[in-house]
Amino acid sequence: GENVEQHPSTLSVQEGDSAVIKCTYSDSASNYFPWYKQELGKRPQLIIDIRSNVGEKKDQRIAVTLNKTAKHFSLHITETQPEDSAVYFCAASISNYQLIWGAGTKLIIKP
Amino acid sequence: DTGVSQDPRHKITKRGQNVTFRCDPISEHNRLYWYRQTLGQGPEFLTYFQNEAQLEKSRLLSDRFSAERPKGSFSTLEIQRTEQGDSAMYLCASSGRTGGGYNEQFFGPGTRLTVL
Repeated sequence: GENVEQHPSTLSVQEGDSAVIKCTYSDSASNYFPWYKQELGKRPQLIIDIRSNVGEKKDQRIAVTLNKTAKHFSLHITETQPEDSAVYFCAASISNYQLIWGAGTKLIIKP
Repeated sequence: DTGVSQDPRHKITKRGQNVTFRCDPISEHNRLYWYRQTLGQGPEFLTYFQNEAQLEKSRLLSDRFSAERPKGSFSTLEIQRTEQGDSAMYLCASSGRTGGGYNEQFFGPGTRLTVL
């Protein structure tokens, strides 16, 4: 079955700097890769997703890249702000059925 | 509120008791998912429904767990003979199919289960 690994587990960056979180997946049949943000005690919320027919997608300060050959995808956040502090999860699925999640990255934005 | 709702938000029970959780998805969504999340971990898939049909179950879902979606609307997740290892946040999500494409899974606030 699918397995998703996520690194790093904790990332501390200075406000205004960029943050990069990386994930790898094992099942080459996976074709949908969402990223969720979860604040403490709250529900996961989708921030960006990418499908396997696209290599990169951007939404304002957030971008995701996908390398199907290497089976990895990354989240890039530029110009980080205090409200970006949260736990970020990557996930992979085949056609958005069951999502297989990474273990999460705690992003800390230092003032 | 047109989002996914879950009830109860918190449940404390004694080991060996049965518990039942309810999820009300976004009304036009035909897919409904259950996940379990323990502290510091990502959610783990448990099961999913398309309309009233339960199409997939994780091997994590032991025979003490059962889920239903009788009319293709709300769903219930029952855990029988609870164990301390069942303590977790149980998350429900729903998604809808439009234009043949994939859709975002919208999550409910979760039910936090504590088994004493």
